[in-house]
Amino acid sequence: DTGVSQNPRHKITKRGQNVTFRCDPISEHNRLYWYRQTLGQGPEFLTYFQNEAQLEKSRLLSDRFSAERPKGSFSTLEIQRTEQGDSAMYLCASSSRDDSGNTIYFGEGSWLTVV
Amino acid sequence: TQLLEQSPQFLSIQEGENLTVYCNSSSVFSSLQWYRQEPGEGPVLLVTVVTGGEVKKLKRLTFQFGDARKDSSLHITAAQTGDTGLYLCAGRLTSGTYKYIFGTGTRLKVLA
Repeated sequence: DTGVSQNPRHKITKRGQNVTFRCDPISEHNRLYWYRQTLGQGPEFLTYFQNEAQLEKSRLLSDRFSAERPKGSFSTLEIQRTEQGDSAMYLCASSSRDDSGNTIYFGEGSWLTVV
Repeated sequence: TQLLEQSPQFLSIQEGENLTVYCNSSSVFSSLQWYRQEPGEGPVLLVTVVTGGEVKKLKRLTFQFGDARKDSSLHITAAQTGDTGLYLCAGRLTSGTYKYIFGTGTRLKVLA
């Protein structure tokens, strides 16, 4: 399967701890996205990369959140000093230059529970 | 402020009935997608529409992009229990960004 891969799928952490999620996009997709989704809501945009450049970042992404895509392939999303309000599903998606950027494909998400 | 509003938010219907879900905005989109999401999983792409007035069909599902590219609809004919899920629209603004904005979602339950 060559879809978008995310890990870990589930993470339970204590408030105040740091967590990191990894996303491996579809091979050769140049754009990579991070979204956050809470129960019953649509995904909220966090940030996106084109190759290794972070082109846009939502105001939702506070100073405790940082995303990287150092070599233009996989990406990591780190949350420092987690708070209970960070509990959500974190979704990664990718899209292709050849597809005119019109279609994005999602991974299965990483669930975060902060206790 | 939610850029893309979906209606209805919740819909519970009997198997065999028809339904329409709407996705509306005051902004113009260069393309719009519809997704279905199952609990605990990521959204799965159903269709992408790019041209104003475009209509696409996927078996019992019919998708339409508004002429002005500000709205879209999803019509399901003869709904089945397997259609149950969260339906999401997502649009890419025409401002030169590749950011996709999601709608508020429509949770559909089809009863046997």
